[in-house]
Amino acid sequence: AQTVTQSQPEMSVQEAETVTLSCTYDTSESDYYLFWYKQPPSRQMILVIRQEAYKQQNATENRFSVNFQKAAKSFSLKISDSQLGDAAMYFCAYTGATNKLIFGTGTLLAVQP
Amino acid sequence: DTGVSQDPRHKITKRGQNVTFRCDPISEHNRLYWYRQTLGQGPEFLTYFQNEAQLEKSRLLSDRFSAERPKGSFSTLEIQRTEQGDSAMYLCASSLVRAAKDRGSYGYTFGSGTRLTVV
Repeated sequence: AQTVTQSQPEMSVQEAETVTLSCTYDTSESDYYLFWYKQPPSRQMILVIRQEAYKQQNATENRFSVNFQKAAKSFSLKISDSQLGDAAMYFCAYTGATNKLIFGTGTLLAVQP
Repeated sequence: DTGVSQDPRHKITKRGQNVTFRCDPISEHNRLYWYRQTLGQGPEFLTYFQNEAQLEKSRLLSDRFSAERPKGSFSTLEIQRTEQGDSAMYLCASSLVRAAKDRGSYGYTFGSGTRLTVV
């Protein structure tokens, strides 16, 4: 069975600085997608960035980028120029042949002004 | 399209009562998923539908839980004889899957969830 592990329950970053959130996963599949979702307090889950496993190039979306290491099964999220609005719970997620999302336990990101 | 809608946003019920939640997915999405999220945890998969067919149910979904998606549009999740351990956020998501190999490439859209409190 596939698993997703986020080893950082909480992280903190100064406004305008850069922070990296870690995620590792375990799977025997070769064709899958990885995601980072953001969940602000009492608000819905929002897709931040998506990575296709067969693409070697790391995905980027504005201030958000990933470091995808397929052999190491690692998928970290880098947030550059952090803003107060980035404060939220961040979830790493995996989907494979079943087309259902498997989530990690999340990392709570605080942004200090 | 206004996205995925869930109703109600909050539900407080007494232990032993039945509750029903509704999810309206994005109209062109053929897949609909239910997840449960407890405080401080990631969402856990409960069940999903492809159109009106329920394709998979998690072992988390006891006999007290039932989900339907009549006509392949909205879905309902019913919990019978609620217990305090059922207190959680129930999330609905939808996606478009055109082929088995899509692997979620078109993304998943989540609703705002229904927060259930069993007292």
